[in-house]
Amino acid sequence: DQQVKQNSPSLSVQEGRISILNCDYTNSMFDYFLWYKKYPAEGPTFLISISSIKDKNEDGRFTVFLNKSAKHLSLHIVPSQPGDSAVYFCAAGTDKLIFGTGTRLQVFP
Amino acid sequence: DTGVSQDPRHKITKRGQNVTFRCDPISEHNRLYWYRQTLGQGPEFLTYFQNEAQLEKSRLLSDRFSAERPKGSFSTLEIQRTEQGDSAMYLCASSSRLGSYEQYFGPGTRLTVT
Repeated sequence: DQQVKQNSPSLSVQEGRISILNCDYTNSMFDYFLWYKKYPAEGPTFLISISSIKDKNEDGRFTVFLNKSAKHLSLHIVPSQPGDSAVYFCAAGTDKLIFGTGTRLQVFP
Repeated sequence: DTGVSQDPRHKITKRGQNVTFRCDPISEHNRLYWYRQTLGQGPEFLTYFQNEAQLEKSRLLSDRFSAERPKGSFSTLEIQRTEQGDSAMYLCASSSRLGSYEQYFGPGTRLTVT
């Protein structure tokens, strides 16, 4: 039973354009949602989070949107840069975190 | 500013041996978490502590696994009688419960069981 799903294993975007990464969840009891970025052989790096009582949170080039009725979460990166190329995980939780399987983002020049 | 540290970064062991990993959280964080990640998957929760109390353990944490946080600071994760299926990246994270739920991860310990 996968409570957090990232249905797109990969995404390729041109530098300067918008990257949109999506995530779906099934458990309406999650209190908060987070996005992490991961490079090979490193631990996940926290990017941005959102509480279940909000529908949008913005931090620089990163914006997270939460649609509770659809149980859907998305991360927008604008403008995308080559250094954004990595695997992105969404996570949801109350205390512990439940992670999706990740989306590999490639930003090309 | 020191982040979460883990030791060792890599461990190769033979099947049947015991291994122990250490995690040092961010100093003011009272919660410490252990996760495991295998290829192509996201991190999976194993267990977590609030101060020295172990509050939850996943069913993934078989009786061969034990975790401690004796003084509410660093934590150890021990795997007894390792199996090839234990090969994975073991990740530690910490957070401060007071008004923040973001978890900050260490670099991980890569375990290879031969």
